[in-house]
Amino acid sequence: DAKTTQPTSMDCAEGRAANLPCNHSTISGNEYVYWYRQIHSQGPQYIIHGLKNNETNEMASLIITEDRKSSTLILPHATLRDTAVYYCIVRVSPRYSGAGSYQLTFGKGTKLSVIP
Amino acid sequence: KAGVTQTPRYLIKTRGQQVTLSCSPISGHRSVSWYQQTPGQGLQFLFEYFSETQRNKGNFPGRFSGRQFSNSRSEMNVSTLELGDSALYLCASSLVGRVGTEAFFGQGTRLTVV
Repeated sequence: DAKTTQPTSMDCAEGRAANLPCNHSTISGNEYVYWYRQIHSQGPQYIIHGLKNNETNEMASLIITEDRKSSTLILPHATLRDTAVYYCIVRVSPRYSGAGSYQLTFGKGTKLSVIP
Repeated sequence: KAGVTQTPRYLIKTRGQQVTLSCSPISGHRSVSWYQQTPGQGLQFLFEYFSETQRNKGNFPGRFSGRQFSNSRSEMNVSTLELGDSALYLCASSLVGRVGTEAFFGQGTRLTVV
């Protein structure tokens, strides 16, 4: 799986958009970008994933550059409950019939602090 | 829909003992993975099971083992515990057969070795 680079920490004012960048310059064509977050001492929580198109769900938006070498996770209106470590993971997606590994390789992530 | 359930939530063991942790995946999920999280090493992959077979294993000593049952529930075992095994152990389940499927994590078992 491709390696990712994320800032160690970021601050965001409550109510403002939080934009978390991730570089994955060695990503290959069949690798997806996944985002997870981990609130202190809880299990990681899936946020969103994408291949090359921008994606949006009820939690966040994922913007992937055209060359796919970087992406940005956007939390549109950050709240104090969004304070967490955010992990950007690049991996080959498991295919049908169970082939492939479901292993996730976590880096250090970005510690996002939402400030009142 | 119930999430991933891990038991127990907290555990204290003595060096040299062994421990068994349990994970019940989300109903219908057949892939179960285990991770170890420590302050120094972060989140590290231990192993993954699918249909009662270990498909992938991380770089951990043989003292760490696991198994999966026919109902997809999984257990991991650590024998001859060392102080360095103190960690949060996380289990994740995935729905096999969907492209881009995500993993859902349990709350973890906090193991303290004294």
